[in-house]
Amino acid sequence: QQQVKQSPQSLIVQKGGISIINCAYENTAFDYFPWYQQFPGKGPALLIAIRPDVSEKKEGRFTISFNKSAKQFSLHIMDSQPGDSATYFCAACWANNLFFGTGTRLTVIP
Amino acid sequence: KAGVTQTPRYLIKTRGQQVTLSCSPISGHRSVSWYQQTPGQGLQFLFEYFSETQRNKGNFPGRFSGRQFSNSRSEMNVSTLELGDSALYLCASSLQRESGNEQFFGPGTRLTVL
Repeated sequence: QQQVKQSPQSLIVQKGGISIINCAYENTAFDYFPWYQQFPGKGPALLIAIRPDVSEKKEGRFTISFNKSAKQFSLHIMDSQPGDSATYFCAACWANNLFFGTGTRLTVIP
Repeated sequence: KAGVTQTPRYLIKTRGQQVTLSCSPISGHRSVSWYQQTPGQGLQFLFEYFSETQRNKGNFPGRFSGRQFSNSRSEMNVSTLELGDSALYLCASSLQRESGNEQFFGPGTRLTVL
């Protein structure tokens, strides 16, 4: 059973546009929600993370929006660049165990 | 500070063999977790070690095992390899065990089972 549901599976965005990736979870024991970026041949790299007592966190062009009552969170990438083309994974953490979404392959067209 | 290192980077084995993968965490990190990544199942948690003790285990058969040494380096072993074990095996280290600690991933070991 997939503990974290992620959508869309793939996303194509024009350079300068906004990329939005959504995730949903069921287990209310999760207490930390990171987003990872993965390039081909590399391990996932932490982008940004949020705790459930915060509704939004912004770091540069990356913003997490968190809705605790709906058990949903999303990643917004502002001013998307071709270098952002990668696979993005949301995750939910409990007891230092990460449960990952299925990933979103983002392509930013120049 | 050096990142998480994993060796070897690539492995080819045949069914029935066993394999040992190695992970060196970031200096000072005491928690090491292992994940399996496949196109079909995505990223799945295998197990976590902290202070040489397995703290958590994912939903994998007993053929998958691991250990951690006193210097926090970790190894995972897969016995009686099956075709379905072909995957990228990722190791991640974090400073402590509590949730909210950043987990830093290594580049992974690509295992191919023929």
